[in-house]
This record gives sequence, structure tokens and C-alpha cells, in this order.
Amino acid sequence: GAGVSQSPSNKVTEKGKDVELRCDPISGHTALYWYRQSLGQGLEFLIYFQGNSAPDKSGLPSDRFSAERTGGSVSTLTIQRTQQEDSAVYLCASSLGAGVDEQFFGPGTRLTVL
Amino acid sequence: RKEVEQDPGPFNVPEGATVAFNCTYSNSASQSFFWYRQDCRKEPKLLMSVYSSGNEDGRFTAQLNRASQYISLLIRDSKLSDSATYLCVVNRTSGGGADGLTFGKGTHLIIQP
Repeated sequence: GAGVSQSPSNKVTEKGKDVELRCDPISGHTALYWYRQSLGQGLEFLIYFQGNSAPDKSGLPSDRFSAERTGGSVSTLTIQRTQQEDSAVYLCASSLGAGVDEQFFGPGTRLTVL
Repeated sequence: RKEVEQDPGPFNVPEGATVAFNCTYSNSASQSFFWYRQDCRKEPKLLMSVYSSGNEDGRFTAQLNRASQYISLLIRDSKLSDSATYLCVVNRTSGGGADGLTFGKGTHLIIQP
């Protein structure tokens, strides 16, 4: 079956612009995660959605970052007024249920802020 | 102390050798442990879960030491295709009750012919 998909695969933007990154999780997966990975660095947790529960936003680095998950499926990560330090690969993952289930990752969106 | 710590390496190992690396975690309440593998410019993928009694999957053996709060990964008869970054992963518990996973920064393994 289809895996996690993300779009766009690459995004180049100018400093100060807003960007939206999209994630389509595996059908039926109730948990969805956003991470970012800077070059040569580990995964940095951003936000976690689980079913209808309030999302865990504890990893969002600033109030310029926000995410929504509509209808329990597709999620959008929005970065407002992008900065150069926002440049990274943004990875989305989904899992079947609880947070300790295997996470399946999408291919990521490579964001470059000029 | 960081939540999950790993030696970043790189570990340069000749093909056919055995290699092992450890990972330490800070949250004694953690209950679930995993090793993920990430190839260059690719997304992470689950390699194996780590069970309390230790577990083996082919050439890979994972062990958990709760008392010392570390997990290990052993790779026997290493192959060139084992070259990758290995991520130690521990379940994360937050005050809000929404669990997730904390990923270590990874150990970079290079198998040399």
C-alpha cells in the first residue's frame, strides 16, 4: 500500500516568506508526527497528533511554527516569516496507534531559506 | 544529560567484522526502545525493537540494560550494505500524556571493503 507522502519534496523560499508543508499519512494511522533534521544532525521532534487528542506542541521552536491536522488525516506544517536557520529537511511520520508503535516516515521536504 | 545519547562515530569497520555500539537514555520511566536505520539522504526506517530479554534478528542483536539505562546494537559479519546511520530511539513521556519517540542523533557506520 501507499506509504507516507510529503509535498513539496523541495522548497526554496526567501527569508520572511511563509511556507506550508504537507503530509499525507498512511491510511488508518491515527498518530502523526513532524520532525526536522538539519544537515548532519539528529531528528528534532516538532509536534505530535494522536487521534482527537490535543496535539503535543512541545517541540515547536517558536510561535512562527504551527501545524494542523484536518479530519484526522492530512497535516500541514506552516512556518511564518521564515529565517535562514529554518533550513532543514522536514520529516513527517505516522504510526498505527499509540506513540510507541513503529513510525513510518515520509521522504521529507527539503526547505531552503535564502 | 541528554534524553538519548549516542557516539556519533564514524565507526570505520572492515567488511565481515563485528561491530557494536551503545546508546544511553536519561528517562528511567521509558518502556520502549528501538533501533532505526537511516541511509544517506533517506528517511529513517525501523531496524528492530529492543526487548528486555534481548533479541536477535539475523546478524543483528539488540540488548537492553535497564539498571544502567543503555541499549546496544551488535552487528555480526558486517556487509557493505550495513553502512548507514543507526538511530537509538526511546519512548518519550510528557506531562501532557502524549507519548512519542525521542531519537538519538545517530551513530554513523562505514563498512569498508
